Amino acid sequence: SQTIHQWPATLVQPVGSPLSLECTVEGTSNPNLYWYRQAAGRGLQLLFYSVGIGQISSEVPQNLSASRPQDRQFILSSKKLLLSDSGFYLCAWSSTDNQPQHFGDGTRLSIL
Amino acid sequence: DQQVKQNSPSLSVQEGRISILNCDYTNSMFDYFLWYKKYPAEGPTFLISISSIKDKNEDGRFTVFLNKSAKHLSLHIVPSQPGDSAVYFCAAYNDYKLSFGAGTTVTVRA
Repeated sequence: SQTIHQWPATLVQPVGSPLSLECTVEGTSNPNLYWYRQAAGRGLQLLFYSVGIGQISSEVPQNLSASRPQDRQFILSSKKLLLSDSGFYLCAWSSTDNQPQHFGDGTRLSIL
Repeated sequence: DQQVKQNSPSLSVQEGRISILNCDYTNSMFDYFLWYKKYPAEGPTFLISISSIKDKNEDGRFTVFLNKSAKHLSLHIVPSQPGDSAVYFCAAYNDYKLSFGAGTTVTVRA
């Protein structure tokens, strides 16, 4: 069966520090991969989308970037974190478009 | 611009009764709709989906209804159980992009 791993579960970082969140999927090949952010009291906002290695689509221009160095690995990064980057970040995968997306357990990021 | 709206932020229901969650959307290009359930500090879990060519899909205690002309879908949970207490998100696909509602918090009372 397919599983998705996301880490760390919680992270506290100072303003201006770099960020690297990692997500890996097991049990499938060539998945679509996604990064979302959930703000308090709001739905999930799509940040990045990838259909293959090295292929990244950005939905929201911001202080973050994403990379897909391997088929089942998706990384969310920032060179300098802002206070507004605080939130709950979720990684997800799907087998293709118009299929259910399956989520990791998320990372709670707090910026001080 | 919120294309998927869940206008009820919360719902309280007695155990054993029916829970009805509602969702409205504005984008007529949406062609696949999903419901997710989320517990605190966890990622959303896929519950049930429906294609735009159907008007009903049932899976155990969960039934999703789609009214395309009204751009409205609903999730029925019957009977409601204590473990159903969670946040429920409605979501809709347009190509690769999944748009989410803000969620409805369901509390099942004993």
